[in-house]
Amino acid sequence: DVKVTQSSRYLVKRTGEKVFLECVQDMDHENMFWYRQDPGLGLRLIYFSYDVKMKEKGDIPEGYSVSREKKERFSLILESASTNQTSMYLCASSFQGWEAGLHEQYFGPGTRLTVT
Amino acid sequence: DQQVKQNSPSLSVQEGRISILNCDYTNSMFDYFLWYKKYPAEGPTFLISISSIKDKNEDGRFTVFLNKSAKHLSLHIVPSQPGDSAVYFCAVGFQKLVFGTGTRLLVSP
Repeated sequence: DVKVTQSSRYLVKRTGEKVFLECVQDMDHENMFWYRQDPGLGLRLIYFSYDVKMKEKGDIPEGYSVSREKKERFSLILESASTNQTSMYLCASSFQGWEAGLHEQYFGPGTRLTVT
Repeated sequence: DQQVKQNSPSLSVQEGRISILNCDYTNSMFDYFLWYKKYPAEGPTFLISISSIKDKNEDGRFTVFLNKSAKHLSLHIVPSQPGDSAVYFCAVGFQKLVFGTGTRLLVSP
């Protein structure tokens, strides 16, 4: 059974703080993703990684950075948290390749971050 | 510019009836189409998918239809059950997935 875990379910931080969100998957997936989910906007891709130490910007990378030092772990970093980064953050992983059956992404439970 | 749109933010259906959720996309390069279901306080879970070479895929009570010429995707749930109440996201992809805004389905007994 695929498992994607996220370090915190709920997090409250102050404006200007540096925030780390951690994600770990146990399926040996090559690809890992960070999304944020906001009402009326759906899931928007922040960053993704297709290999260790590799990263690609998604649709809304501004204000975020990522780190992937090990295959199973993908970290999202908010360098200086702002109130507009209050959101639900979702991590996902998948196999590499675009063949049938390899496109499915497995999601973690999410971290609800509040920046005050 | 929203590449994937789910124009109905919510849908209410009675138990036993059909639920139809719709999704429109703009990029004809998309070649894989998926539906995810999300319960509160949980991550989305994969439900069903279809590739661009097909126009229909069925899995139990769930059927996905693809109309490539109209760039339209739909999910049919028959019969609907109260446990189907959740937010449903369509996702379309070429090399990475683009998600729609979601439709909240409420199935009442």
